[in-house]
Amino acid sequence: QQKVQQSPESLIVPEGGMASLNCTSSDRNVDYFWWYRQHSGKSPKMLMSIFSNGEKEEGRFTVHLNKASLHTSLHIRDSQPSDSALYLCAASMQGGRALIFGTGTTVSVSP
Amino acid sequence: AQTIHQWPVAEIKAVGSPLSLGCTIKGKSSPNLYWYWQATGGTLQQLFYSITVGQVESVVQLNLSASRPKDDQFILSTEKLLLSHSGFYLCAWSPPGQGRNTLYFGEGSRLIVV
Repeated sequence: QQKVQQSPESLIVPEGGMASLNCTSSDRNVDYFWWYRQHSGKSPKMLMSIFSNGEKEEGRFTVHLNKASLHTSLHIRDSQPSDSALYLCAASMQGGRALIFGTGTTVSVSP
Repeated sequence: AQTIHQWPVAEIKAVGSPLSLGCTIKGKSSPNLYWYWQATGGTLQQLFYSITVGQVESVVQLNLSASRPKDDQFILSTEKLLLSHSGFYLCAWSPPGQGRNTLYFGEGSRLIVV
């Protein structure tokens, strides 16, 4: 079973609109979360990290984390065509060294 | 600033042929190093990680092996390629130690096995 689940699988957002992505873990050993963005044909780049309960905002991007439910969400406001990409949620396990990645959400921003 | 370089950028190889992919990190001492594999449009599957020279931990066996001959170098290889080895191979580094370690990826090596 995939330890990090993302939804939806894909998302079409109008330019200027809001995109909301979700990520949940089924493993109680998960402790920290990251969001990565991967443009087509490129390698993933870290977008935001969140380590404690609450909300974190950086520009047009906001991340929420609920540690009790092991759920994180990423919100992109005023979406731009350059935001079209695969968004990957990643989690670290207590005592682990590598990150475990979710299956991703493909975001397409339509002009 | 740290830089990570992967080679080759892309390869087309025949089934049964050998493969060697490399990764070099500059500007960081004793980093944790990782190999990930990604099928087209898919998630990242962790393959190997290393915390020090000469030590490599296998996460998933895909008829691949990895070695860390130098502090700043990580090599992924196999003697016989399978069709299922096709994909995007990503090397990554994180600061030494455990905890809130962000992974930083190289530009990747794209492999097509025919």
